[in-house]
Amino acid sequence: AQTVTQSQPEMSVQEAETVTLSCTYDTSESNYYLFWYKQPPSRQMILVIRQEAYKQQNATENRFSVNFQKAAKSFSLKISDSQLGDTAMYFCAFPPTGANSKLTFGKGITLSVRP
Amino acid sequence: GAVVSQHPSWVICKSGTSVKIECRSLDFQATTMFWYRQFPKQSLMLMATSNEGSKATYEQGVEKDKFLINHASLTLSTLTVTSAHPEDSSFYICSARGTSTYNEQFFGPGTRLTVL
Repeated sequence: AQTVTQSQPEMSVQEAETVTLSCTYDTSESNYYLFWYKQPPSRQMILVIRQEAYKQQNATENRFSVNFQKAAKSFSLKISDSQLGDTAMYFCAFPPTGANSKLTFGKGITLSVRP
Repeated sequence: GAVVSQHPSWVICKSGTSVKIECRSLDFQATTMFWYRQFPKQSLMLMATSNEGSKATYEQGVEKDKFLINHASLTLSTLTVTSAHPEDSSFYICSARGTSTYNEQFFGPGTRLTVL
C-alpha cells in the first residue's frame, strides 16, 4: 500500500519570497505519478502540479516546481515569488496504481502568505 | 479542463431528515466517482467509491445505510445522508475520474452540511 507523509502542519512565508513544502512517500511501484493539490479558503481542490516518476526532470508550472528525489522517495513543492493567493492548504497525493484504485493524500500543510 | 459540479453548495437541515447531494461531471464521462468527507484543517477522508451501474464500495467504518450512494449514469452520482444527525455535519466533496493517463481525479466544489 502507498503512504504519503507531510510532517509540517503549518508554514508561513512573506509575500514575494520562496517556500518549500515537504512530502515523502512509500510505494513498491516503479512507475507512478505524484500530485500536489491546493485547497484555498473556497475549499475547491485544484491540481497544482504533477510529476511522472519515470521522468528525471523535475516538473515546473510557472511559479511552482517540484524537487523529485525518487531514490529518497521525496517530492517537495517549491513556490517562488509567493503571492497572497497562494494562501491555502496543500496536499501531496499519490494516484492509483496497479490494484490500488484510491488517491492517497497526505495530511496537508496550511500555508499562510504574509503581506 | 474537466469540470465537476456539486449541488447544493451548502445545506442546513433538521436532525432526522435526509439530504441528497448531487455530483455531476459536466464535460466528460466519469467511469468512477468518489465521495470524501473533510473536517476543518484536515485531509480528505474517502467514504466510498462508485462505478456507474454498480454498487458503491464503502471504506471501513462508513455506514452504508447512513450514506447511500447512487451512480446512475456516467455523469451523475448522488450521496444521500439518511436520518441526519448533528455529528454528520461536515464538508462533503465528490470527485470524478475519467480516462486520464494520470488517473487524475477532478474535484467538485464541495457541499457544507449543517444538521441542527
